[in-house]
Amino acid sequence: DAKTTQPTSMDCAEGRAANLPCNHSTISGNEYVYWYRQIHSQGPQYIIHGLKNNETNEMASLIITEDRKSSTLILPHATLRDTAVYYCIVRDAGGTSYGKLTFGQGTILTVHP
Amino acid sequence: NAGVTQTPKFQVLKTGQSMTLQCAQDMNHEYMSWYRQDPGMGLRLIHYSVGAGITDQGEVPNGYNVSRSTTEDFPLRLLSAAPSQTSVYFCASSRKLLSSYNEQFFGPGTRLTVL
Repeated sequence: DAKTTQPTSMDCAEGRAANLPCNHSTISGNEYVYWYRQIHSQGPQYIIHGLKNNETNEMASLIITEDRKSSTLILPHATLRDTAVYYCIVRDAGGTSYGKLTFGQGTILTVHP
Repeated sequence: NAGVTQTPKFQVLKTGQSMTLQCAQDMNHEYMSWYRQDPGMGLRLIHYSVGAGITDQGEVPNGYNVSRSTTEDFPLRLLSAAPSQTSVYFCASSRKLLSSYNEQFFGPGTRLTVL
């Protein structure tokens, strides 16, 4: 699976959009971009995933560049409860990888009042 | 549904003791896995299973054994605990799909300290 690079930490004001970048310059054509987050001491939680088109769900939006070498997770109206570590993961969805996820160190997002 | 449950929540062991961390899921998921998380680090895969009777090693399997006799349960055994195994352990499950949509569901974790 391709390696990802994320900033160590970011801050965001409550109510503003939080934009979390991820670099995955070695991504291959059959690999998807997944985002998970881990709120303090809890198990990670799935947020969103995509291949090459932008995706949106009730939690967030995912913007993937045309060359697929980077992506941005957008939390449109951040709240204090969004303070967490956010993991960007690139994974081949086929073959025998199934649910195997390779976690990096992620980005610590702190939302301030 | 209870989702993924783990017991115990906290455990303190002495070096050389053995114990089993329990994991159960009620979503009929084929795929289950164990991760460990050390301070300031991401999760690392220990062992995983794609169905009852089938297990395989992950990134950091040494010192741990697993078995999968039922779809619901996936216990993790430490045969002789070492201080290096002090960590937070997470169990996860998902459907066995050859699909991009394969959300992993994680349990609340077991915090293990080995003295």
